[in-house]
Amino acid sequence: RKEVEQDPGPFNVPEGATVAFNCTYSNSASQSFFWYRQDCRKEPKLLMSVYSSGNEDGRFTAQLNRASQYISLLIRDSKLSDSATYLCVVFYSGGGADGLTFGKGTHLIIQP
Amino acid sequence: DTEVTQTPKHLVMGMTNKKSLKCEQHMGHRAMYWYKQKAKKPPELMFVYSYEKLSINESVPSRFSPECPNSSLLNLHLHALQPEDSALYLCASSQDTGRNYGYTFGSGTRLTVV
Repeated sequence: RKEVEQDPGPFNVPEGATVAFNCTYSNSASQSFFWYRQDCRKEPKLLMSVYSSGNEDGRFTAQLNRASQYISLLIRDSKLSDSATYLCVVFYSGGGADGLTFGKGTHLIIQP
Repeated sequence: DTEVTQTPKHLVMGMTNKKSLKCEQHMGHRAMYWYKQKAKKPPELMFVYSYEKLSINESVPSRFSPECPNSSLLNLHLHALQPEDSALYLCASSQDTGRNYGYTFGSGTRLTVV
């Protein structure tokens, strides 16, 4: 059973373009949602939390649709430095382990 | 710079060796975690410590032994590992094991078992 699903990509996008990633989760009782960024051979870094009201941080916009159990990340005016793997992460306190479930990640390549 | 410090950054060990991975944070976080990550896979949880007590052990083989000496330190003792244990070992911390706390990851120890 895949609890958090993401399109693995790779997404090859020209510099300056807008790119969107999607993520779906299976547990309707999930409580918190995050996007993490992971560069090759580096640790995951928290990019942003995701709220039902939507939230924006500079060129990045995250949206949560609880009814559809769908999370999105939009990157505007993409930069070469945005190339990375983007992990969708969902938290459920009654879930196994610490409650965090990671998606397998979406690989983004920004091309000059 | 990450606020979770892991040492060593790289480790090569034989199957009969004993080694330890170390993790330190000074953010006052009360939950600390060990994850294992293989190439092109998401991190997999190994252990959770909450308030210095082991709260979750995800059926990890006994050749991996965690230790939490105090609220800032987390160790992972390794003994008689197998080549398939080669991976990136990530330590993470959070304010608590609660719902809205993002995790801060260390830069990891890249382990190779030969």
